[in-house]
Amino acid sequence: GESVGLHLPTLSVQEGDNSIINCAYSNSASDYFIWYKQESGKGPQFIIDIRSNMDKRQGQRVTVLLNKTVKHLSLQIAATQPGDSAVYFCAESQAGTALIFGKGTTLSVSS
Amino acid sequence: DAGVIQSPRHEVTEMGQEVTLRCKPISGHNSLFWYRQTMMRGLELLIYFNNNVPIDDSGMPEDRFSAKMPNASFSTLKIQPSEPRDSAVYFCASSFLAGGIETQYFGPGTRLLVL
Repeated sequence: GESVGLHLPTLSVQEGDNSIINCAYSNSASDYFIWYKQESGKGPQFIIDIRSNMDKRQGQRVTVLLNKTVKHLSLQIAATQPGDSAVYFCAESQAGTALIFGKGTTLSVSS
Repeated sequence: DAGVIQSPRHEVTEMGQEVTLRCKPISGHNSLFWYRQTMMRGLELLIYFNNNVPIDDSGMPEDRFSAKMPNASFSTLKIQPSEPRDSAVYFCASSFLAGGIETQYFGPGTRLLVL
């Protein structure tokens, strides 16, 4: 999951496995959450978002789960592919204020 | 849609020189954000504009940094004078703020190296 520090946490999976990336957010008043994917040499790319009035949202091969009780957000990637290898960031926002980004998790997919 | 456009993509300069980074947001977006990314600090918000007006510049490191948005389709981030510790990737992002929901779309970034 997300952490503060010099080294990003890393998740290593095999191609075809399901991946779960976790994020602990800080502000209990946050009402909007986003997951971004950043490939090497590129800008962060929007994956999926969720509002605080939901606890689950699904996209194509991705699912975001929100647990407001413990301030926890997760991103599930089904049938992980080598192209999913990247750094994944969660971000939170409150009432339209600027997004606050986590430090990121590196996903490494081996074939 | 061309997405957020940033220029230059790479910049190498010497300490003390002025650096100007440019951004063209997605057409129709009303908010623009400047971020800096380093391994040590991750993604840091420097400043953001809404309808061309600076809303929060508390992330700007010091007076050497300045940002402008003269119109809805253009913004600049200037560093004068530049220092080696300014070396980082600078991202511009834009969004359409509606109902408190903002999905930000990022540009490809400008990789700055100050020698």
